[in-house]
Amino acid sequence: DAKTTQPPSMDCAEGRAANLPCNHSTISGNEYVYWYRQIHSQGPQYIIHGLKNNETNEMASLIITEDRKSSTLILPHATLRDTAVYYCIASFPQGAQKLVFGQGTRLTINP
Amino acid sequence: DTAVSQTPKYLVTQMGNDKSIKCEQNLGHDTMYWYKQDSKKFLKIMFSYNNKELIINETVPNRFSPKSPDKAHLNLHINSLELGDSAVYFCASSQVLLAGTHEQFFGPGTRLTVL
Repeated sequence: DAKTTQPPSMDCAEGRAANLPCNHSTISGNEYVYWYRQIHSQGPQYIIHGLKNNETNEMASLIITEDRKSSTLILPHATLRDTAVYYCIASFPQGAQKLVFGQGTRLTINP
Repeated sequence: DTAVSQTPKYLVTQMGNDKSIKCEQNLGHDTMYWYKQDSKKFLKIMFSYNNKELIINETVPNRFSPKSPDKAHLNLHINSLELGDSAVYFCASSQVLLAGTHEQFFGPGTRLTVL
């Protein structure tokens, strides 16, 4: 699985969009990009995934660059409850996934 | 109607003891996992079972033995507990589709403290 690089921490004001970057320059053609988050002391929670196209669901949007070497997770209207560690993971979708969690980005939403 | 549940939530024990952590999922998934999150907060996969068959077995001491009595349960038994085993253990499950799986559901975690 390709290695991913994320900034260790970010801050965002409540109500604003939070944009979390992720670099995955060695990602292979059929690896997906997955985003999970871990709110303090809880189990990780799936957010969104994508391969090439931009994706949107009720939680977030995922923008993947055309060369697929980086992506951005967008939380459109961040709330205090979005304060968490966000993990960007590159992984093959076949079979049981061995998710490799890096250090992630600790996102703090400020009132 | 918890999707993935773990018991106990907290476990405090002495070095050398043997303990088990239980995991159950009611999502009808065919694949279950155990992850370990150490004090530095790194989350690493330990094992995965698909339809009661072990399919992922990372470099984990053989003191750790997973057991899957059925698709809905994956228990983790740890023999001769050591101080370094202190961590939060998370169970997860997913449905492995022919075209691949896209989401793992995690339990609330079991905080193990070895004294």
